[in-house]
Amino acid sequence: NAGVTQTPKFQVLKTGQSMTLQCAQDMNHNSMYWYRQDPGMGLRLIYYSASEGTTDKGEVPNGYNVSRLNKREFSLRLESAAPSQTSVYFCASSRPNQPQHFGDGTRLSIL
Amino acid sequence: LAKTTQPISMDSYEGQEVNITCSHNNIATNDYITWYQQFPSQGPRFIIQGYKTKVTNEVASLFIPADRKSSTLSLPRVSLSDTAVYYCLVGSPSGGYNKLIFGAGTRLAVHP
Repeated sequence: NAGVTQTPKFQVLKTGQSMTLQCAQDMNHNSMYWYRQDPGMGLRLIYYSASEGTTDKGEVPNGYNVSRLNKREFSLRLESAAPSQTSVYFCASSRPNQPQHFGDGTRLSIL
Repeated sequence: LAKTTQPISMDSYEGQEVNITCSHNNIATNDYITWYQQFPSQGPRFIIQGYKTKVTNEVASLFIPADRKSSTLSLPRVSLSDTAVYYCLVGSPSGGYNKLIFGAGTRLAVHP
């Protein structure tokens, strides 16, 4: 069972570079989410997609864009990376009104 | 959104029962209580969810008193592999899981 798959697992960027984080789920879930987790802290919601074709901002959307490519895939893009975006990024998916299933994260360092 | 308060850290020993209490004084009528577990280098994993009284599954039990202003996650006979961060979240599933807030969680360390 693959569940939620995130790629890449690790990435180092220079300030100002752009990058897209990929997420795919094989559970036929309608809703998908992107979170960031900074050291010693809980997860903060960046963007979510309640269903295919819709996206909405979460708690910390600035500096990010998302694309719900189809029901399976939800990507997160950093157009001009900044050191403050160094974090671990988690993607999650869920059925309506059901708990979320998380991927194992992408560890992103921006120098 | 209901704010939750949990201990920052706890220590236990193998074979003991661990109880982690979460306070949520302003929980709303429609809110459920959900617990997640996170191991290092992994995403959070759903453990248990409840609305009132007691819920039990193969992993844990969740105790919720009548006033619902707190809840207790109970892990029976912990092992070293239960060392993780545990998050308590409060919110209405019908309101969308995007509305749930992850706090800093409780870091549980299980010792031999």
